[in-house]
Amino acid sequence: SQKIEQNSEALNIQEGKTATLTCNYTNYSPAYLQWYRQDPGRGPVFLLLIRENEKEKRKERLKVTFDTTLKQSLFHITASQPADSATYLCALESYGGSQGNLIFGKGTKLSVKP
Amino acid sequence: GAGVSQSPRYKVAKRGQDVALRCDPISGHVSLFWYQQALGQGPEFLTYFQNEAQLDKSGLPSDRFFAERPEGSVSTLKIQRTQQEDSAVYLCASSQLAASSYNEQFFGPGTRLTVL
Repeated sequence: SQKIEQNSEALNIQEGKTATLTCNYTNYSPAYLQWYRQDPGRGPVFLLLIRENEKEKRKERLKVTFDTTLKQSLFHITASQPADSATYLCALESYGGSQGNLIFGKGTKLSVKP
Repeated sequence: GAGVSQSPRYKVAKRGQDVALRCDPISGHVSLFWYQQALGQGPEFLTYFQNEAQLDKSGLPSDRFFAERPEGSVSTLKIQRTQQEDSAVYLCASSQLAASSYNEQFFGPGTRLTVL
């Protein structure tokens, strides 16, 4: 069955540094991968989508890479700020499921210290 | 509306009670999803609607779980004879288009269900 691993449950960094979060998946090759941010008591908020034919995508201070050979996506936040503290989830489409049905990782809780 | 809304935000039920959770998606959104999120876990897919049609219910954990979207807008997730293992946050999400792999999903705040 499909499996997603976000290999850090928690990541603590200093303000101004770059945060790098990792998402690994197994057992098949999705056409795309999404990243979401989730704050306590709230639903996930979409950040970025990257397709299998895209190596890298950027949005303001965010950068996502997608390596289909390694079956891995990296999510970077540059010049991190305390307001970036949240849980970050990666998600990919469910193979064999209805299109749009997502499988999520457990998430990485990022804490940015001032 | 401005976003996806869900009600109630919190629900406490005694084991064996039936509960109904409501989702109001963004107006005009064709697709609607329900997810279950246990503490410390990512959301897990339950079911998917395209307008009023329930196209995928493969994630519903048992026949005690039932979802409907009769007019293609508001959706209700019903859990019968609740068990302690049903305690979780139930998230609803909608997306603009139908059956597309590339749509972002807009999530509601969730309903936190606690079964005693």
